[in-house]
Amino acid sequence: DAGVTQSPTHLIKTRGQHVTLRCSPISGHKSVSWYQQVLGQGPQFIFQYYEKEERGRGNFPDRFSARQFPNYSSELNVNALLLGDSALYLCASSQGLAGGYYEQYFGPGTRLTVT
Amino acid sequence: AQSVTQLGSHVSVSEGALVLLRCNYSSSVPPYLFWYVQYPNQGLQLLLKYTSAATLVKGINGFEAEFKKSETSFHLTKPSAHMSDAAEYFCAVVGNQFYFGTGTSLTVIP
Repeated sequence: DAGVTQSPTHLIKTRGQHVTLRCSPISGHKSVSWYQQVLGQGPQFIFQYYEKEERGRGNFPDRFSARQFPNYSSELNVNALLLGDSALYLCASSQGLAGGYYEQYFGPGTRLTVT
Repeated sequence: AQSVTQLGSHVSVSEGALVLLRCNYSSSVPPYLFWYVQYPNQGLQLLLKYTSAATLVKGINGFEAEFKKSETSFHLTKPSAHMSDAAEYFCAVVGNQFYFGTGTSLTVIP
């Protein structure tokens, strides 16, 4: 079975631009979570979606938004990019709400560079 | 609120030596705790998790961790380091979301 896939692998954007990152979960998984990992730091939680509804939001500005589609794939959108948005963006999927019972499986990430 | 602290951002061990990576947690409720490994240019892979069933948790690749409530710790160990263990290791705790530590970079010296 295919794991979590993310696209694109790398992306270079200019300050002020908008970006859309995509994630396809493992088949049968209904929950997708997004994380931002700045170089040298641990992943920071951005969103969790389950059954197409937002079920958790981390401490990120409103420039960050996401959605989940009927096929459970997901998009992360970031508007008005700042230099500080440069990071590895990780997507993780799980069968149910990620937590103690349901494990998360991570994709390889999208490396976003903002210049 | 939940959080984890990883002591030591860099750890170096010789091949065949004991690996010990430290993690202390803060949680107002019985925690779910995790260790993940991240190889260069890859996502995170689950090594093991603690969900209150047993205090000594065995994971993949010979790693294990012991939950010690009195010390609020969940340190990761492996008896004998292998070159392939060189990676970044993250401890995490689950509350209303996953909270990750800042990571420990493990170097294995041949």
